[in-house]
Amino acid sequence: QKEVEQNSGPLSVPEGAIASLNCTYSDRGSQSFFWYRQYSGKSPELIMFIYSNGDKEDGRFTAQLNKASQYVSLLIRDSQPSDSATYLCAVNKGYSTLTFGKGTMLLVSP
Amino acid sequence: DAEITQSPRHKITETGRQVTLACHQTWNHNNMFWYRQDLGHGLRLIHYSYGVHDTNKGEVSDGYSVSRSNTEDLPLTLESAASSQTSVYFCASSEREGATYEQYFGPGTRLTVT
Repeated sequence: QKEVEQNSGPLSVPEGAIASLNCTYSDRGSQSFFWYRQYSGKSPELIMFIYSNGDKEDGRFTAQLNKASQYVSLLIRDSQPSDSATYLCAVNKGYSTLTFGKGTMLLVSP
Repeated sequence: DAEITQSPRHKITETGRQVTLACHQTWNHNNMFWYRQDLGHGLRLIHYSYGVHDTNKGEVSDGYSVSRSNTEDLPLTLESAASSQTSVYFCASSEREGATYEQYFGPGTRLTVT
């Protein structure tokens, strides 16, 4: 089983819809979880992180963590074409290194 | 503003040559990382450092080396470049302390080995 798994997509949503991006991880000792956005040809940009079970909201973005199910998700409300990018899930196991998933491509159509 | 920079942004080299990619950060972060990103593999950790004179191997360290002589810089050296090392290389940094360890990335270096 891969350490961090994401559906590669593309996930296609219409403008204004909610985009739901999912990530599962294999190590129950994982402590903090990150979502990065990466535009084509650019570097990953941190959107938000979460380390407690439940929801964490930041503007149009909500991260959800369920440690019992080893599942973390990112919801993007009112999706915009500018949200079209690859979204990387990353997991920290208590040290400073992160393990990344391969990313999910999101396409938001006008 | 604090930032993290990489140079060169693009590099073409020949098989067998030694290549050094530079990474410089002004965040005053103790932790620095090098990744490579390839289609189908995502981001993979090459080497990392927790501070001056500290270096550690990551998932794909063969053929690469790093040294940390100050807080700001972590150069990545390809001892003898191979075509398999054609990739996009990202440097990142993070604070030493804290439970979250969020990393901030540089703009990347696209390396082509011919």
